[in-house]
Amino acid sequence: GQNIDQPTEMTATEGAIVQINCTYQTSGFNGLFWYQQHAGEAPTFLSYNVLDGLEEKGRFSSFLSRSKGYSYLLLKELQMKDSASYLCAVRVRGGNTGGFKTIFGAGTRLFVKA
Amino acid sequence: DTEVTQTPKHLVMGMTNKKSLKCEQHMGHRAMYWYKQKAKKPPELMFVYSYEKLSINESVPSRFSPECPNSSLLNLHLHALQPEDSALYLCASSPVGVGGNQPQHFGDGTRLSIL
Repeated sequence: GQNIDQPTEMTATEGAIVQINCTYQTSGFNGLFWYQQHAGEAPTFLSYNVLDGLEEKGRFSSFLSRSKGYSYLLLKELQMKDSASYLCAVRVRGGNTGGFKTIFGAGTRLFVKA
Repeated sequence: DTEVTQTPKHLVMGMTNKKSLKCEQHMGHRAMYWYKQKAKKPPELMFVYSYEKLSINESVPSRFSPECPNSSLLNLHLHALQPEDSALYLCASSPVGVGGNQPQHFGDGTRLSIL
């Protein structure tokens, strides 16, 4: 089966750094995404990893180790507006036509306090 | 505002009604998706269309019927829904391809309530 695990909730302080971990057990791995979702809004794309290593994008960085089935999202210089859910999502092969589908983890709710 | 437009934003319907959710994108994406999301839960994939053909159906009950009339539009026809079908229904689109950075772009969703 396909399984994605991430912590349910995290709390951090404004200006600090926070790391949100994600572990996955999937077949047909074809990339890992991180999305941000504010309550009542649509998920928005943050980062993508398909090869091992670190991808940096401004205040956000994401790391992937395919051999360990592990990724993390690193948020620096936290701001109050970063309070949201962070979804780890894995793209895998699926369907009869060999297409791809994305499986979402349950999400990590991040609370940023002053 | 997102580049994927969903209408209506809110829908309340009875269990015997027939209604449709609509999704539109003009980014040239040839893959489109329907997701169902319950409160405090992740999006759950329902259907995937690739080049206007249904490629994945995640064992969704037949009371949900998707339709992709052209490369920009995706509909979800609803009939005889149950109260447990109340949720946020998200549409998304992405380029089609084997690899590369192809994130999904999500619409704001339709919040559906079944009475």
